[in-house]
Amino acid sequence: GDSVTQMEGPVTLSEEAFLTINCTYTATGYPSLFWYVQYPGEGLQLLLKATKADDKGSNKGFEATYRKETTSFHLEKGSVQVSDSAVYFCALRGPTETSGSRLTFGEGTQLTVNP
Amino acid sequence: ETGVTQTPRHLVMGMTNKKSLKCEQHLGHNAMYWYKQSAKKPLELMFVYNFKEQTENNSVPSRFSPECPNSSHLFLHLHTLQPEDSALYLCASSQEWGGASSYNEQFFGPGTRLTVL
Repeated sequence: GDSVTQMEGPVTLSEEAFLTINCTYTATGYPSLFWYVQYPGEGLQLLLKATKADDKGSNKGFEATYRKETTSFHLEKGSVQVSDSAVYFCALRGPTETSGSRLTFGEGTQLTVNP
Repeated sequence: ETGVTQTPRHLVMGMTNKKSLKCEQHLGHNAMYWYKQSAKKPLELMFVYNFKEQTENNSVPSRFSPECPNSSHLFLHLHTLQPEDSALYLCASSQEWGGASSYNEQFFGPGTRLTVL
């Protein structure tokens, strides 16, 4: 079945540092890939997505590129801020005809940014 | 504010209690979801309702009983829970189950933090 593996956390960075959170996946066919963010006390929010190979999703300074050859969708940001402290989830969605709207999530990576 | 609200935000219950979680969406969506979020585990999809019909039940124990009276409301009725059921329960909604991903984003509520004593 489908699965998503994220780098283990927690990750602690200083403000303005470069961020990478690794995400690899196993899926049949051509999934869509997503990054969700969960701020303290809130639900998940869609951060960015990519629906086909070589697509780059971007939002709020975050980027991730859909790499089919390495089955990866790593999240990056060039300069993190304290307000980026949250839990980040990588997720995939398989073909609609077999998976409906099912999302398969990774375990989440806790990011803490210190001033 | 994502347009999905959940009540209560926190709930403590004994193993013999009966309680219900409520979710309401104001987005005009037709699909609603219950997820369980436990520490250090991926989110687990529990139930899916599409146009008020249950389309997914991922082997959830019968002590969890969902109800979807209309497309805007979703309930999770709880009875005789176990301590291992303590978790954050998230509700989500989307335009429909199985729609094209370009417009079928799932919107999540803030969750109900459940503690079973």
